[in-house]
Amino acid sequence: GENVEQHPSTLSVQEGDSAVIKCTYSDSASNYFPWYKQELGKRPQLIIDIRSNVGEKKDQRIAVTLNKTAKHFSLHITETQPEDSAVYFCAAARPNNAGNMLTFGGGTRLMVKP
Amino acid sequence: EPEVTQTPSHQVTQMGQEVILRCVPISNHLYFYWYRQILGQKVEFLVSFYNNEISEKSEIFDDQFSVERPDGSNFTLKIRSTKLEDSAMYFCASSPGTARNQPQHFGDGTRLSIL
Repeated sequence: GENVEQHPSTLSVQEGDSAVIKCTYSDSASNYFPWYKQELGKRPQLIIDIRSNVGEKKDQRIAVTLNKTAKHFSLHITETQPEDSAVYFCAAARPNNAGNMLTFGGGTRLMVKP
Repeated sequence: EPEVTQTPSHQVTQMGQEVILRCVPISNHLYFYWYRQILGQKVEFLVSFYNNEISEKSEIFDDQFSVERPDGSNFTLKIRSTKLEDSAMYFCASSPGTARNQPQHFGDGTRLSIL
């Protein structure tokens, strides 16, 4: 089955700096890669996703890049703010006619210091 | 913005007892999921449900687990005889059915504590 590795497990940055979180996946058939932000005790919240037919997607301060050949994808947060502090999870999914099972990475705890 | 709602927010149950976790997916969504997250660990897939049947399940989803859509709005997860290791946060999610790989929206979760 799919295996998703995520690095780093913790990341501390100064407010205003950029943060980069990287994930690798094992199943070359995976074609959907969402990123979720989870604040303490709350639901995972989708912040951005990318499909395998594009290499990069941007939404304001958040961008995701995908390298299908190398089977890795990354989340980039620019101009970080204290409210960006949370655990971020990457995930991967294979195409499936009846929905798609997400395989999550281990998470990255991002701390943005004011 | 429509949300996935889950009840109860916290469930405490004695080991060996049955427990039912409830979810109301977003109303026009067609795919439903259960995930669990043991404290401090990654989110793990349990089961997906479409067109009134299970479409995919993980190794975690053994004979002790079952899902049901008893009416047009609720989606439930039943654990028949709970074990200590079932203690976790259980998340329900739903996604639309118009195309593959649609975003999954998660509920706030039910924290299940087995004593």
